[in-house]
Amino acid sequence: GQNIDQPTEMTATEGAIVQINCTYQTSGFNGLFWYQQHAGEAPTFLSYNVLDGLEEKGRFSSFLSRSKGYSYLLLKELQMKDSASYLCASMDSNYQLIWGAGTKLIIKP
Amino acid sequence: IAGITQAPTSQILAAGRRMTLRCTQDMRHNAMYWYRQDLGLGLRLIHYSNTAGTTGKGEVPDGYSVSRANTDDFPLTLASAVPSQTSVYFCASSAVAGSTDTQYFGPGTRLTVL
Repeated sequence: GQNIDQPTEMTATEGAIVQINCTYQTSGFNGLFWYQQHAGEAPTFLSYNVLDGLEEKGRFSSFLSRSKGYSYLLLKELQMKDSASYLCASMDSNYQLIWGAGTKLIIKP
Repeated sequence: IAGITQAPTSQILAAGRRMTLRCTQDMRHNAMYWYRQDLGLGLRLIHYSNTAGTTGKGEVPDGYSVSRANTDDFPLTLASAVPSQTSVYFCASSAVAGSTDTQYFGPGTRLTVL
């Protein structure tokens, strides 16, 4: 079956670094997406990885290991506005996204 | 440029009633999608359309229908609403179907079926 696992909730301190992990198992693989979703709002695109390794984009980086079925989103220099849910999604062989339930990130001052 | 708009923003509906959720995009994207989002679950695909005139079933299509008469509009209809259809519904679009193009989401419709 297809399955995406990520922690339900994480807490971090303003200014710190946090890593949100995601493991995936899908029928085929065409890449791993990360989205950010603030409460009551739409998901917005953060990153896409299809090759192994780390992709850096400002304060946010995303890592992929295809052999391990594993990805993480790394957020540096945390700001209060980073309080949101972070959604991991794997694109399967039919180019459909299979979504995790999301990780709610709470930032404390 | 608005991107994707959805209407209504929220709705309370009696069970058994018919309801159409509207979705319009102005990005000339070929592919459009309807998802539902429920607490503790990932987004689940209801229906999709790869291009105007074609539609397909997603993971949870029962009780829902869609149409794609033109590129811009992709309405979702609940023929006879049931309480289990209480959810937040998101419409999304991507430039090219069957590709790794990013999906862009509308603001969502919060639907409560009593």
